[in-house]
Amino acid sequence: DAKTTQPNSMESNEEEPVHLPCNHSTISGTDYIHWYRQLPSQGPEYVIHGLTSNVNNRMASLAIAEDRKSSTLILHRATLRDAAVYYCILRVNNAGNMLTFGGGTRLMVKP
Amino acid sequence: AAGVIQSPRHLIKEKRETATLKCYPIPRHDTVYWYQQGPGQDPQFLISFYEKMQSDKGSIPDRFSAQQFSDYHSELNMSSLELGDSALYFCASSPPTSTNTGELFFGEGSRLTVL
Repeated sequence: DAKTTQPNSMESNEEEPVHLPCNHSTISGTDYIHWYRQLPSQGPEYVIHGLTSNVNNRMASLAIAEDRKSSTLILHRATLRDAAVYYCILRVNNAGNMLTFGGGTRLMVKP
Repeated sequence: AAGVIQSPRHLIKEKRETATLKCYPIPRHDTVYWYQQGPGQDPQFLISFYEKMQSDKGSIPDRFSAQQFSDYHSELNMSSLELGDSALYFCASSPPTSTNTGELFFGEGSRLTVL
């Protein structure tokens, strides 16, 4: 499976934008880029996913590099409730396959 | 909206005992996934089922077994429990491929403590 590399931790101030990077240099053409987050003592929660084009939803934006070897999750205005571990995951063919979690970024948000 | 329901939420067992965790997926979801998350660890994939058949297998110990029933709920059976089995166990579900946006929906987890 293609691997992803993320910083172990990042800090942000409340109300400011946060850019969470992910490198996936061995991504294949059929891999979708998924982002999940896990708040303390909760199950993982879907954030966003994409294939080639940038994506926006109510939670975040996903910027995908033109060569698809990296992506960035953007939280437009961090809140204290956004403090979580954020996982960037590659998933083959998007549907029906399990997710492999590993090496996420722990985001700390300062008031 | 209905979410993935897991029971029990907390379970305490002795070493060498047996435990069963249950997962009720979101209605009309046909795929169920089980994950194990030890203290300070990332969730590790154990096993998944699609339409009552095993679809993927991860790092599930031989002492563990699971199945998906006709109503799509799933059970994870763990025997000869060891201290290292103490963890949070998450179940997730996803809808049929035709309506699948690629999202997995996770339950709140079952916390197993082995003494």
